[in-house]
Amino acid sequence: RKEVEQDPGPFNVPEGATVAFNCTYSNSASQSFFWYRQDCRKEPKLLMSVYSSGNEDGRFTAQLNRASQYISLLIRDSKLSDSATYLCVVKGDNFNKFYFGSGTKLNVKP
Amino acid sequence: EAQVTQNPRYLITVTGKKLTVTCSQNMNHEYMSWYRQDPGLGLRQIYYSMNVEVTDKGDVPEGYKVSRKEKRNFPLILESPSPNQTSLYFCASRSSGAPTDTQYFGPGTRLTVL
Repeated sequence: RKEVEQDPGPFNVPEGATVAFNCTYSNSASQSFFWYRQDCRKEPKLLMSVYSSGNEDGRFTAQLNRASQYISLLIRDSKLSDSATYLCVVKGDNFNKFYFGSGTKLNVKP
Repeated sequence: EAQVTQNPRYLITVTGKKLTVTCSQNMNHEYMSWYRQDPGLGLRQIYYSMNVEVTDKGDVPEGYKVSRKEKRNFPLILESPSPNQTSLYFCASRSSGAPTDTQYFGPGTRLTVL
């Protein structure tokens, strides 16, 4: 079983739509959680960390549900520039090991 | 400018010919790591280093070696490359003290082994 699982998509949405991604992780002892963005096989870049209380950064909202072991990312008012692959990342109980989901591809259409 | 650099960016080689991919960071980060990315599998950690002369295996270390003689450099060595090591490789670094655990990635090295 993979440590982190994501729906690969693609999610094809019109500009202005709200889109949500989910991700599940297998190790209940996981320590930290993140969403990264990756454009067209370029390097991943941190989008946001995910905190237990949930957190928001502009149009992006991340939630963590430890009981169900899933993480979500909500993007409101989608822009063309949001088109990318979104990677769910979990730091395991070994503080130095990180596990990446295979990514969810988002296409925002005009 | 804070950055992680990798060289080469693209490499085509043949089976068995030893190669090294260099990685360097200018942020004085203690932690560095190597990943490979393959379609449908996401990024998988190959090796990581917590500081100079301290390295450990990630999830897919077979066929790779690393060294950490200086804080800024973390080269990835393929002693005898094989076609199943054809992949996109990323180096990353982070500060051990950073509360957000943000990893900064290099631009990637696309390796093809024939």
